[in-house]
Amino acid sequence: DGGITQSPKYLFRKEGQNVTLSCEQNLNHDAMYWYRQDPGQGLRLIYYSQIVNDFQKGDIAEGYSVSREKKESFPLTVTSAQKNPTAFYLCASSIGSGSPNEQYFGPGTRLTVT
Amino acid sequence: ILNVEQSPQSLHVQEGDSTNFTCSFPSSNFYALHWYRWETAKSPEALFVMTLNGDEKKKGRISATLNTKEGYSYLYIKGSQPEDSATYLCAFLTGTASKLTFGTGTRLQVTL
Repeated sequence: DGGITQSPKYLFRKEGQNVTLSCEQNLNHDAMYWYRQDPGQGLRLIYYSQIVNDFQKGDIAEGYSVSREKKESFPLTVTSAQKNPTAFYLCASSIGSGSPNEQYFGPGTRLTVT
Repeated sequence: ILNVEQSPQSLHVQEGDSTNFTCSFPSSNFYALHWYRWETAKSPEALFVMTLNGDEKKKGRISATLNTKEGYSYLYIKGSQPEDSATYLCAFLTGTASKLTFGTGTRLQVTL
């Protein structure tokens, strides 16, 4: 089955530690995205990548970093510089980011930092 | 940052009721409007991608309309069923951006 996987489903970290969230897709999509959801807010874009070895900052990129070394993978690192890292993180992909194509979402990772 | 607004924030209806939600977005530089359904403990799934003013799309009991000149889209659910319970998200894509801007969603609960 084609789809997007995110792991783990729940992640707990101590404040001051960096943590990397995994996102893998086997849909052969060029574009991939990372969103963050907080209570009462819409999905907010952290980073997106339109093609391998290229990525752009979204609306709330501060304190996050990404890489796109392979088409299938778009890991997100939440660094210690992110002031409020506790949130639900969703990864998505689409055929291309410059077109109106729908996005396909993973199941999400809930990160708790204490 | 673009502003996409959805109303109502939440809605509670009885099985069999028909209902509708609104998504408001900037009317300038429109490229596409997406609707997604997000059920609890699942991933958001696309319902519709709408690109033309006057577009009407339908999937089963769910339909959507689009008015790009005034900047709104309506999502209708006819004869709501408990399985329709979910959060419905709309998202706006401008002609100059490669990224979606999401609204906060309308949370629908359908009870027997």
